[in-house]
Amino acid sequence: AQTVTQSQPEMSVQEAETVTLSCTYDTSESNYYLFWYKQPPSRQMILVIRQEAYKQQNATENRFSVNFQKAAKSFSLKISDSQLGDTAMYFCAFIAYNNNDMRFGAGTRLTVKP
Amino acid sequence: DTAVSQTPKYLVTQMGNDKSIKCEQNLGHDTMYWYKQDSKKFLKIMFSYNNKELIINETVPNRFSPKSPDKAHLNLHINSLELGDSAVYFCASSQDLRTANTEAFFGQGTRLTVV
Repeated sequence: AQTVTQSQPEMSVQEAETVTLSCTYDTSESNYYLFWYKQPPSRQMILVIRQEAYKQQNATENRFSVNFQKAAKSFSLKISDSQLGDTAMYFCAFIAYNNNDMRFGAGTRLTVKP
Repeated sequence: DTAVSQTPKYLVTQMGNDKSIKCEQNLGHDTMYWYKQDSKKFLKIMFSYNNKELIINETVPNRFSPKSPDKAHLNLHINSLELGDSAVYFCASSQDLRTANTEAFFGQGTRLTVV
């Protein structure tokens, strides 16, 4: 079974600065997808960014980008120009190409300070 | 239009009762999930259905029984509720993962409190 590890339970960053959230995973699969989801205090789960394992290019969505290191099984999220609205729980998630077993890490609580 | 909708949003009930949480998705997805989020925010998969067939059944007490009457619905029934069942329960759905740009869409969650 796949496992996803987020080793930073809590992080904080000053507004307008950059922060990186870490995620590692363990799998024997070669084809899979990785995601970062955001959960603000409203409780809603919101997709931040998605990466296909077969793509070497790192995904980018506006201020959000990932550093995907397939050999190291690492998938970190970089948030640039942090905004107060980025304050939330962030979850790293993994799903293999050939099944529907979507696994989440324990989450990182990010606080953006004014 | 809400893509994945769960009802109720909040549920407070006494120990020993039986309750159901309903989930519906209007995205035409083939796969639906139930997740439990505990007080520490950990998200744990409980069940996954694909085209009304159960494909993932994690180590969940058999007091929890999912029911999928059709592809768009996945309801969760819980018998003999216990204090430890208090949590937020999320329903989600996704398309075939071999489809480009797929993701899991989540409902707004149901906060279950057992007293």
